[in-house]
Amino acid sequence: ETGVTQTPRHLVMGMTNKKSLKCEQHLGHNAMYWYKQSAKKPLELMFVYSLEERVENNSVPSRFSPECPNSSHLFLHLHTLQPEDSALYLCASSAQGADEQYFGPGTRLTVT
Amino acid sequence: GESVGLHLPTLSVQEGDNSIINCAYSNSASDYFIWYKQESGKGPQFIIDIRSNMDKRQGQRVTVLLNKTVKHLSLQIAATQPGDSAVYFCAESRDTGRRALTFGSGTRLQVQP
Repeated sequence: ETGVTQTPRHLVMGMTNKKSLKCEQHLGHNAMYWYKQSAKKPLELMFVYSLEERVENNSVPSRFSPECPNSSHLFLHLHTLQPEDSALYLCASSAQGADEQYFGPGTRLTVT
Repeated sequence: GESVGLHLPTLSVQEGDNSIINCAYSNSASDYFIWYKQESGKGPQFIIDIRSNMDKRQGQRVTVLLNKTVKHLSLQIAATQPGDSAVYFCAESRDTGRRALTFGSGTRLQVQP
């Protein structure tokens, strides 16, 4: 997929590590989202950025810290995670005022 | 509470048959609905969407039906193909200005040759 890319695709980290997930969209969109997808659970919205401003933080623990330096890039900084944070983290983007969101392939995160 | 849910976790169909995947939602204020397909190792891929002022919308081999009276949404896939095997999610949103989607739990479609 070239529309929304995510790196790394797979990440294994210890509970004391600090890592970052990166998302980049090449669609000219100005809204970006982080979702968490756990086994047997619906996709959970974590954060929403619109025009580089965080407009929603869906009760996410502070060990997850998002950053949106510009409309094309979105980061999710991770520190002192727990094993239950292991999941697929999906980034999405949409055009301002549009409903359809385009997803990246996700980062498969394993916390050991 | 508000929820978007799916009736069946797994649907198995024969190649060439039509598939119907159902979804129920509970929030009557929902005004936008969307179906995604997610294949193994990939992110969700947009299939089709519909607004609450419509009852039906057709795409290529897919049709979405919306019944607002019973808060029910369905995705129909005509002439199902092996490449249609995936997990299908419905999602809804309300006009809150942020358009964040609330997803259902997903239905796995298995196409038998």
